Amino acid sequence: DAGITQSPRHKVTETGTPVTLRCHQTENHRYMYWYRQDPGHGLRLIHYSYGVKDTDKGEVSDGYSVSRSKTEDFLLTLESATSSQTSVYFCAISDVTRGTEAFFGQGTRLTVV
Amino acid sequence: DQQVKQNSPSLSVQEGRISILNCDYTNSMFDYFLWYKKYPAEGPTFLISISSIKDKNEDGRFTVFLNKSAKHLSLHIVPSQPGDSAVYFCAAILLTSGTYKYIFGTGTRLKVLA
Repeated sequence: DAGITQSPRHKVTETGTPVTLRCHQTENHRYMYWYRQDPGHGLRLIHYSYGVKDTDKGEVSDGYSVSRSKTEDFLLTLESATSSQTSVYFCAISDVTRGTEAFFGQGTRLTVV
Repeated sequence: DQQVKQNSPSLSVQEGRISILNCDYTNSMFDYFLWYKKYPAEGPTFLISISSIKDKNEDGRFTVFLNKSAKHLSLHIVPSQPGDSAVYFCAAILLTSGTYKYIFGTGTRLKVLA
């Protein structure tokens, strides 16, 4: 298995509070991605990073920010959590110079009450 | 606007028979296509991929077919086994502004009946 760790694995938070999810990799892959999985929507890209301090928005980026200060860590922050952000969040890594597949973490289940 | 579509949310197949999962896409600029399998409470795992310049790729029981003119790809699993029961996601790699993004479909839940 690719060395990807997401933390926390589960979190319950209140509406309006900030939340930060962490993705840590030990593979030295250039690309890192944050997705959310929701019934009927599949996996939707929130933000991604193509290098340290290089990030870009995905299709559902509103209400989220990211940071990547070092290769191994990619943080996803919900600035003010809303109930619509209740979801399962997955981090993925890839390096197209080594292969086309992206490798996923085990996910973080976030509930906003 | 869904660029990668899986129009069948679920599929049931008898053990030993062929499972065919379908995927349609709208963007002719996709470079690679991939299939992922996902079990409950786990992250998606890579199954098989195909370059946009190929029309078939095979790996054991899994074969992916690409029809570029129809913007359609399919995953064939033969023979199907109960352990194949999972959600399958089709994905495409898009190169834009020098960076790579993975665009996923909505998934198809496969149930293989023993």
